[in-house]
Amino acid sequence: AQRVTQPEKLLSVFKGAPVELKCNYSYSGSPELFWYVQYSRQRLQLLLRHISRESIKGFTADLNKGETSFHLKKPFAQEEDSAMYYCALSGQGGSQGNLIFGKGTKLSVKP
Amino acid sequence: DAGITQSPRHKVTETGTPVTLRCHQTENHRYMYWYRQDPGHGLRLIHYSYGVKDTDKGEVSDGYSVSRSKTEDFLLTLESATSSQTSVYFCAIRDSSRNNEQFFGPGTRLTVL
Repeated sequence: AQRVTQPEKLLSVFKGAPVELKCNYSYSGSPELFWYVQYSRQRLQLLLRHISRESIKGFTADLNKGETSFHLKKPFAQEEDSAMYYCALSGQGGSQGNLIFGKGTKLSVKP
Repeated sequence: DAGITQSPRHKVTETGTPVTLRCHQTENHRYMYWYRQDPGHGLRLIHYSYGVKDTDKGEVSDGYSVSRSKTEDFLLTLESATSSQTSVYFCAIRDSSRNNEQFFGPGTRLTVL
């Protein structure tokens, strides 16, 4: 079954501390993995996707096929990073291109 | 925002009444989606469309119907609203010109009393 698991509902860190939001997935083919972010009462927006291998707002995520993980990391958290983060996967094209979301992790960065 | 709007943005209704939410896009995208967002559940797909009059069910389609008579509009209908359908509803499009990235609308907060 296709599934995305985010084990932490809430992650609270202090400003300047490292952050790691965990994401594990289950998919039989070759998925594409994404991280979406939702700031307070705003729409979801794409933060990054594994095929682009970019660093956005200091965040990175590496796809580990052996561990079926796509953890989101940032070395030094900022207060403006406080938001809801969703990991998602999709297949290749057609209905396979639909997104499957995890339940989300709320990141709270304290001053 | 990829030209996606949703209406209404907020609605309060009573159990048993019909409700229709509208998603409108201006960029002629083929795929459109309706999700609901609930604490502890994340985003769950209700229905999606892959063209005019072409729709399919998602993970949580019971109690919902959709219609797409024009490319730009995707309507979500709750035939008889229940309190369990109190949620935030997001529409999204898939942009094939941008590596199939999904872009989301601003959301509709629906409360069923």
